[in-house]
Amino acid sequence: SQTIHQWPATLVQPVGSPLSLECTVEGTSNPNLYWYRQAAGRGLQLLFYSVGIGQISSEVPQNLSASRPQDRQFILSSKKLLLSDSGFYLCAWSVFGYYTEAFFGQGTRLTVV
Amino acid sequence: RKEVEQDPGPFNVPEGATVAFNCTYSNSASQSFFWYRQDCRKEPKLLMSVYSSGNEDGRFTAQLNRASQYISLLIRDSKLSDSATYLCVVILPGYSSASKIIFGSGTRLSIRP
Repeated sequence: SQTIHQWPATLVQPVGSPLSLECTVEGTSNPNLYWYRQAAGRGLQLLFYSVGIGQISSEVPQNLSASRPQDRQFILSSKKLLLSDSGFYLCAWSVFGYYTEAFFGQGTRLTVV
Repeated sequence: RKEVEQDPGPFNVPEGATVAFNCTYSNSASQSFFWYRQDCRKEPKLLMSVYSSGNEDGRFTAQLNRASQYISLLIRDSKLSDSATYLCVVILPGYSSASKIIFGSGTRLSIRP
């Protein structure tokens, strides 16, 4: 069966520090991969999605970037965190080539101080 | 205009009540539709798919109206355990066979004894 791992679960980082969140999927090949952010009390904002290695689509201009160095690995990064980057970051995957549902990792709760 | 819009609620209803949520989407090219449930500080989880013919899963009924670009969720005989945020989800064709998975901002439901 397919599983998605996301870490760390919780992170507290100072303003101006770098960020790297990693997500890996097991049990499937060539998944669509997604990064979402959820601010406190708000909905999920799609940040990036990817159809394959090195192929990233960005939804919202911001202080973040994403990379897909391997088929089942998706990384969210920032060079310098802002206070407004605080939130609940969720990685998800779906089946490539079909309009099917997304399956989520357990999320990373990031607090920028 | 937001791609997916939901009434944010909160809905506060007594146990045993019937409650209905609505959602509208703006892009007529949308391909698939889902309802997710999100518990506090947790990742969203798939509740059910939504089809034009309507579909039912126990106490839950989902309906899609493509002409009006409207999705609904009905919960009958509500239980305390139904308290959560319900997210409407629309899948849009992306690039290179990828799909964009767009979430509504969610409707918060609270069931009281």
